[in-house]
Amino acid sequence: KQEVTQIPAALSVPEGENLVLNCSFTDSAIYNLQWFRQDPGKGLTSLLLIQSSQREQTSGRLNASLDKSSGRSTLYIAASQPGDSATYLCAVVEKALYTGANSKLTFGKGITLSVRP
Amino acid sequence: NAGVTQTPKFRILKIGQSMTLQCTQDMNHNYMYWYRQDPGMGLKLIYYSVGAGITDKGEVPNGYNVSRSTTEDFPLRLELAAPSQTSVYFCASTAHGPNTEAFFGQGTRLTVV
Repeated sequence: KQEVTQIPAALSVPEGENLVLNCSFTDSAIYNLQWFRQDPGKGLTSLLLIQSSQREQTSGRLNASLDKSSGRSTLYIAASQPGDSATYLCAVVEKALYTGANSKLTFGKGITLSVRP
Repeated sequence: NAGVTQTPKFRILKIGQSMTLQCTQDMNHNYMYWYRQDPGMGLKLIYYSVGAGITDKGEVPNGYNVSRSTTEDFPLRLELAAPSQTSVYFCASTAHGPNTEAFFGQGTRLTVV
């Protein structure tokens, strides 16, 4: 059974700091890994998607890396801003056992980030 | 640009009542999912579907039912609502393949009293 872990559950940093959010998963047979942002009371917004054959993806101040062999991904946020305050969730899309197609999307519990002005 | 649409946004049910949470997507995605999110517990998969006519249980299916008669729609049925089903419910969809971003609806906040 795939398990996705995000530690710590919460993080508070001063504005301007570069920070790294960690995600680990137990089964490396994944199609891709995605990082999402969730603001309080809102739905999830996709930030970055890394295919299983890729090592990293970048979007603006965000950079996500993937190491399938060790079951780890990191989301790097450069020059953090108060507007980055939100919960960040990672999720993996698993390969179906027999067809090789993508099947379940499994989430970590998220990291709640607070960026202090 | 509708994406994934969930209705209703909020609902209060009495214990024992039934209701259907609606989810529709206009991106022709094969895969659809229902999650519930409880404080501090992350998102737990209730049911998912890999195509019309095909559904499978997730981690927490008890007390729920789904159907997938069309590619667009994936309703979630709650029979005999219980306080333990108080939660925020999210519907999501993805296309097939490794470069397929997941899209989420805005959620349904359900309270069972």
